[in-house]
Amino acid sequence: QVQLQESGPGLVKPSETLSLTCTVSGGTISSPSYYWAWIRQPPGKGLESIGGIYHSGTTFYKPSLKSRVTISVETPKNQFSLKLRFVTAADTAVYYCARLDSSGPLPTYIDVWGKGTTVTVSS
Amino acid sequence: SYDLTQPPSVSVSPGQTATITCSGDKLGNRYTSWYQQKPGQSPVLVIFQDNKRPSGIPERFSGSNSGNTATLTISGTQGLDEADYYCQAWDSRTFVTFGGGTKLTVL
Repeated sequence: QVQLQESGPGLVKPSETLSLTCTVSGGTISSPSYYWAWIRQPPGKGLESIGGIYHSGTTFYKPSLKSRVTISVETPKNQFSLKLRFVTAADTAVYYCARLDSSGPLPTYIDVWGKGTTVTVSS
Repeated sequence: SYDLTQPPSVSVSPGQTATITCSGDKLGNRYTSWYQQKPGQSPVLVIFQDNKRPSGIPERFSGSNSGNTATLTISGTQGLDEADYYCQAWDSRTFVTFGGGTKLTVL
């Protein structure tokens, strides 16, 4: 049973960089059948995709966040990471890491989610 | 950008059928997935690839997708089905795209 666990600071100052890591256990991040994604949910709001990465390093980013986001993978540690630069209060959210099935011609669904970590942007 | 539209709320009586829609341009040409999220919890996949149920999801959950609309149907709705439901599809420009979510209330 694959499990995902987010880790990182719960408080980030405005204009600084939010950094989170997701550790994959019970499976390998190098599997060819999955992308690894970051999703966030502002308080009281819906789900928003941030982006994702394949084990080869291929990435996709939500267009409106692309200029501020970097997602990377560290295969030996079975981890992938998120960096979001120049954060504001609008980036306050629960951040989830997730596994996105891509066993077909296109990625389709998220079958595993982390528990989520709350990140607050405040001075 | 590619947008998915859901009704903000749906109400249903216990034992009745709940129907939640998700609309998007030519959505029927894309696979749609559905997630259930209860307060304070991570989302859970309940339908993938339009109409498939993951292991452990009750048979009362079903899905369909045609034209511009995907539909999640919950037959014999129970109180424990009360939750937020999100549809999701993949788009070549916006990638993982979620609907705005529907709050299902079981009255």
